[in-house]
Amino acid sequence: AQKVTQAQTEISVVEKEDVTLDCVYETRDTTYYLFWYKQPPSGELVFLIRRNSFDEQNEISGRYSWNFQKSTSSFNFTITASQVVDSAVYFCALSEGGSEKLVFGKGTKLTVNP
Amino acid sequence: DAGVIQSPRHEVTEMGQEVTLRCKPISGHNSLFWYRQTMMRGLELLIYFNNNVPIDDSGMPEDRFSAKMPNASFSTLKIQPSEPRDSAVYFCASSLRRKYEQYFGPGTRLTVT
Repeated sequence: AQKVTQAQTEISVVEKEDVTLDCVYETRDTTYYLFWYKQPPSGELVFLIRRNSFDEQNEISGRYSWNFQKSTSSFNFTITASQVVDSAVYFCALSEGGSEKLVFGKGTKLTVNP
Repeated sequence: DAGVIQSPRHEVTEMGQEVTLRCKPISGHNSLFWYRQTMMRGLELLIYFNNNVPIDDSGMPEDRFSAKMPNASFSTLKIQPSEPRDSAVYFCASSLRRKYEQYFGPGTRLTVT
């Protein structure tokens, strides 16, 4: 069965600090897709990134970067030089090859203090 | 471009009443998803459709819940009769094609008293 674990329930940092959000997944499929979503205090879910199991290249988008390591079943998310606007709940999600269903982790609440 | 549209945004109803939540996916998207978010259970998929056909409804809690997608631009999630434990935020999402990212609507906050 597929499972996503985000062990960090809450993280609090001061503005300009770097912060890494951990995500560990479980699946028996060799083909799968990983996602990160952001849920700001306003409540909507915002798509950040999609990665398939055959592409282990790390990705950088501005202050955001993602580290995908199949050997440890992890897909971690780093925010560099955090800002107050980064305060949100961040969800990691997994979709196995045969289904479009997203299985979400419990989320990590990030608070960036000025 | 319009995103996923959900209505109503807030719904307060009494136990036993019928509740209908509505969703309009992004134009051209082939897949539509209904999720529920609660503090206890987090985000969980209820049902999803591909080309208007229900593919996986294993997440629908019980027979009180039903979902339809009569055409490519509209879907409903109905709860009849509603119970206090149904109180949650219900999200609708759509995606362009299989395995592409899902775009979420703003959600409907349902409170059953």
